[in-house]
Amino acid sequence: EAGVAQSPRYKIIEKRQSVAFWCNPISGHATLYWYQQILGQGPKLLIQFQNNGVVDDSQLPKDRFSAERLKGVDSTLKIQPAKLEDSAVYLCASSLKRVDEQYFGPGTRLTVT
Amino acid sequence: AQRVTQPEKLLSVFKGAPVELKCNYSYSGSPELFWYVQYSRQRLQLLLRHISRESIKGFTADLNKGETSFHLKKPFAQEEDSAMYYCALANSGYSTLTFGKGTMLLVSP
Repeated sequence: EAGVAQSPRYKIIEKRQSVAFWCNPISGHATLYWYQQILGQGPKLLIQFQNNGVVDDSQLPKDRFSAERLKGVDSTLKIQPAKLEDSAVYLCASSLKRVDEQYFGPGTRLTVT
Repeated sequence: AQRVTQPEKLLSVFKGAPVELKCNYSYSGSPELFWYVQYSRQRLQLLLRHISRESIKGFTADLNKGETSFHLKKPFAQEEDSAMYYCALANSGYSTLTFGKGTMLLVSP
């Protein structure tokens, strides 16, 4: 089966600019996760969708981050405006049922200068 | 609040040596713990879950509730075991994971 797809793979922007990431989960996976992984840290959950509804966004900095999952399939994560501390790898994952059976995408490496 | 601690950033061993990657957790309920692995230029993937009590690629992990630990062990390390290893804890609703900071395992020939 095809894996989780993410684009772009790399992005360099200046602070205060906007950026958007795209994720296409595995077909049929109802649950979609966005993680932020800062260098030297483990993945930190930003937001979790069940179909197109938000299950958990308690760690999403809502003043600058937003995410949507239209039609319960693809998802986009946006940062507006970006800060230096947003430099990280942004991982998307999807799962059918079990939270531990998440399939991860390759990630988008964001550098904010 | 739940927390996962991996005290070692890097563990370097020689091929054939035993390996133990440490993981400690803080959680008020009954924990569900997992080990994930990320090989070079590959995606993060599940290695094993404590509830399965299985051995994957020669690795085992035992949950010790008394010591709140879930250390990953392998008796004889192989060069292909070199990777980043993350310990993870599921929340009470079994809907989200909290990851540790990870330990880089480097197995030298």
